[in-house]
Amino acid sequence: DTGVSQNPRHKITKRGQNVTFRCDPISEHNRLYWYRQTLGQGPEFLTYFQNEAQLEKSRLLSDRFSAERPKGSFSTLEIQRTEQGDSAMYLCASSPRDSFFGPGTRLTVL
Amino acid sequence: GQQVMQIPQYQHVQEGEDFTTYCNSSTTLSNIQWYKQRPGGHPVFLIQLVKSGEVKKQKRLTFQFGEAKKNSSLHITATQTTDVGTYFCAGSGNRDDKIIFGKGTRLHILP
Repeated sequence: DTGVSQNPRHKITKRGQNVTFRCDPISEHNRLYWYRQTLGQGPEFLTYFQNEAQLEKSRLLSDRFSAERPKGSFSTLEIQRTEQGDSAMYLCASSPRDSFFGPGTRLTVL
Repeated sequence: GQQVMQIPQYQHVQEGEDFTTYCNSSTTLSNIQWYKQRPGGHPVFLIQLVKSGEVKKQKRLTFQFGEAKKNSSLHITATQTTDVGTYFCAGSGNRDDKIIFGKGTRLHILP
């Protein structure tokens, strides 16, 4: 499979717990984006990387959120002390020019 | 900051009718992309427009990029049930900038 993959596909957690998602982009794609999507809305930009460098973070990304791409390949998105408002689909996309999206991780915070 | 707006939010059409969704940016874009998201799926890239006034066609789909590079449209001729989904435009302000999505237009086809 040469597409973008994300794990896990679904995550249910209790409020206050930490969660971590992983994204494996298409190999050789130097850009990697994280988006959050809630029902009926478009993907909201969270952050993006050019290789291992994090170029921009949205102000939507509070200090509870952190993303890394240590070797310029896969990326992780961690949410600490989850809140019910964090429930959403978290999408990862990789891009040389146009964005190829992964299937997303659906987070439910109880 | 950069904003991308889409209208209409919802559109119901009879099968066989045409459909158009419009996208407007608050700032000049270096390029615009269009995506389709089926219910329960993730956005799938359709096309990218780069040049001012550019028009591209994919079978029954026609994409336009405005002369000022601040607006775009997607027109579907003779809609089919397989066209059901949400259509998003997304743009970036320059080659290296982040890609910002509109809220999408949800297309529903009436048989």
